[in-house]
Amino acid sequence: GDSVTQMEGPVTLSEEAFLTINCTYTATGYPSLFWYVQYPGEGLQLLLKATKADDKGSNKGFEATYRKETTSFHLEKGSVQVSDSAVYFCALTLAYGGATNKLIFGTGTLLAVQP
Amino acid sequence: SAVISQKPSRDICQRGTSLTIQCQVDSQVTMMFWYRQQPGQSLTLIATANQGSEATYESGFVIDKFPISRPNLTFSTLTVSNMSPEDSSIYLCSVRIQSSGNTIYFGEGSWLTVV
Repeated sequence: GDSVTQMEGPVTLSEEAFLTINCTYTATGYPSLFWYVQYPGEGLQLLLKATKADDKGSNKGFEATYRKETTSFHLEKGSVQVSDSAVYFCALTLAYGGATNKLIFGTGTLLAVQP
Repeated sequence: SAVISQKPSRDICQRGTSLTIQCQVDSQVTMMFWYRQQPGQSLTLIATANQGSEATYESGFVIDKFPISRPNLTFSTLTVSNMSPEDSSIYLCSVRIQSSGNTIYFGEGSWLTVV
């Protein structure tokens, strides 16, 4: 079935370090891909998205490129800050007749950035 | 995007009681979804709620335990019935916004603790 696999956390980095959180997917159709972020004590926020192969989503210094050949959507940021400490979820939806339905989530990756 | 408000934001509930969570959206939406996030876990879809029809439940979730109402295009409720400590979770309302490329947005969640 359709699924999302994320690298396990926690990921602990020093401020200004480079971040990569790996995400790969399995899907029978043509998924749209998303990264959501959950800050401590808060709900889920959309961070970025990509809807077709080779699209690059970007927001707040984060970016991810939809790689169909490797079925991947890795999240990257060049220089992390303490305020980026959160849980990051990779997710996909499948398009049926032009409408997207439920989100399928990865298990989430906890990022802890130390000053 | 959309502004999604949930009530209550947090609650402590007694075992065996029921609690209704409200979700209000600032625009008319066709598809609304209810997710559950158990402590330290990823998100799981409970059901899809479309206005004017019965909610569609995912495997493992039943209407008797999680009755849902969808009286109009901006509002929905989820009831967690006969609660047990295993129901302690964050319950999140989400909506699909067609004008944003069918992106799914989330409310801030309702954090329930059952004692």
